[in-house]
Amino acid sequence: ETGVTQTPRHLVMGMTNKKSLKCEQHLGHNAMYWYKQSAKKPLELMFVYNFKEQTENNSVPSRFSPECPNSSHLFLHLHTLQPEDSALYLCASSQGAGGNQETQYFGPGTRLLVL
Amino acid sequence: KQEVTQIPAALSVPEGENLVLNCSFTDSAIYNLQWFRQDPGKGLTSLLLIQSSQREQTSGRLNASLDKSSGRSTLYIAASQPGDSATYLCAVRSDYKLSFGAGTTVTVRA
Repeated sequence: ETGVTQTPRHLVMGMTNKKSLKCEQHLGHNAMYWYKQSAKKPLELMFVYNFKEQTENNSVPSRFSPECPNSSHLFLHLHTLQPEDSALYLCASSQGAGGNQETQYFGPGTRLLVL
Repeated sequence: KQEVTQIPAALSVPEGENLVLNCSFTDSAIYNLQWFRQDPGKGLTSLLLIQSSQREQTSGRLNASLDKSSGRSTLYIAASQPGDSATYLCAVRSDYKLSFGAGTTVTVRA
């Protein structure tokens, strides 16, 4: 285990539903990340939080809404998603977000299916 | 924008054969390159990290080389085992961001 947990591990939702993904890290890190991994495509960085402040939004549609109440928890609120949003959503953490030497530790991911 | 490509997308080999996985990137101004392993239903596990000033890194049966000027890295896995079956991802750090390839899915046949 990497010290980064994600719940739920699997989620099926309709396009009109509202759901949330949760990520928790037990490593004492200050930076947390959301990535999207679609089939046969590279991981796409979605959001970066450093010390609870959002430092990057990689042109993500507003139907994805992140929340970082503290350095250990990160949420991704989902509403009115599209079938093309079906993917594996990975959370990661690192000691900081500003350095090029930072190592990111990944959670197991939430497999999302939008019907 | 950094583009990372991994070829082949999938690879199947008999047990005991050496594995060679390729990664190429378009912008040679990188800080480091990292190889990850991803098992089905699990997150990414870091295997090796090569700094831009290094030519290679070794860990057990794994050896990764880096040719920054030509934008290439190769991961060698010696004497493959069924437990090596997984998807291997290459990620390049540049401009404070990690850019990932789509991965090579490896199957080692017993």
